Amino acid sequence: ETGVTQSPTHLIKTRGQQVTLRCSSQSGHNTVSWYQQALGQGPQFIFQYYREEENGRGNFPPRFSGLQFPNYSSELNVNALELDDSALYLCASSLAAGGVSPLHFGNGTRLTVT
Amino acid sequence: ILNVEQSPQSLHVQEGDSTNFTCSFPSSNFYALHWYRWETAKSPEALFVMTLNGDEKKKGRISATLNTKEGYSYLYIKGSQPEDSATYLCAFNSGYSTLTFGKGTMLLVSP
Repeated sequence: ETGVTQSPTHLIKTRGQQVTLRCSSQSGHNTVSWYQQALGQGPQFIFQYYREEENGRGNFPPRFSGLQFPNYSSELNVNALELDDSALYLCASSLAAGGVSPLHFGNGTRLTVT
Repeated sequence: ILNVEQSPQSLHVQEGDSTNFTCSFPSSNFYALHWYRWETAKSPEALFVMTLNGDEKKKGRISATLNTKEGYSYLYIKGSQPEDSATYLCAFNSGYSTLTFGKGTMLLVSP
């Protein structure tokens, strides 16, 4: 069973640039959620994708966008990067959408915006 | 805005000690409560998903209880071992796609 993999592991970008983070879900999982963890905070929900459709969104501006592909892998895109976007971005897959399926997390992508 | 609080923020115990942490969450619109363990340099790992008031779950030396009426869950570790050192996160779900996480309790177990 292949776990959740995220790429890249680390990334440094300049304010105003755009970034794409990638996530491969665990085999058999059709739901992918993205979380942002800023320093000293718990993970914050960005959005969830279920069978290629957005299935819920947290309190993040439209410059945070995503995609899910037919193989259920996913991308998180952030436009017009701001310094506050510096954080650990976690991707998690689950067997189903909703709240009772445990999340299977990747190791995260550490984004630094300078 | 949903508030999920975890206490204590950090804890340092000796090997063999038993310990417990608290997760407080809204008592209304409850659907599920998750616990995760996050070891350094690894990814968070699901421990429990709890849905019913009075639920008790156990995994080895770790157990959890749930009180949805008063909005709290306890996580217990019996006979802590150094490999239990990690950050323990709880997350609240009200039936939609969102999990609202607490900031976590960082546990350090010294040999």
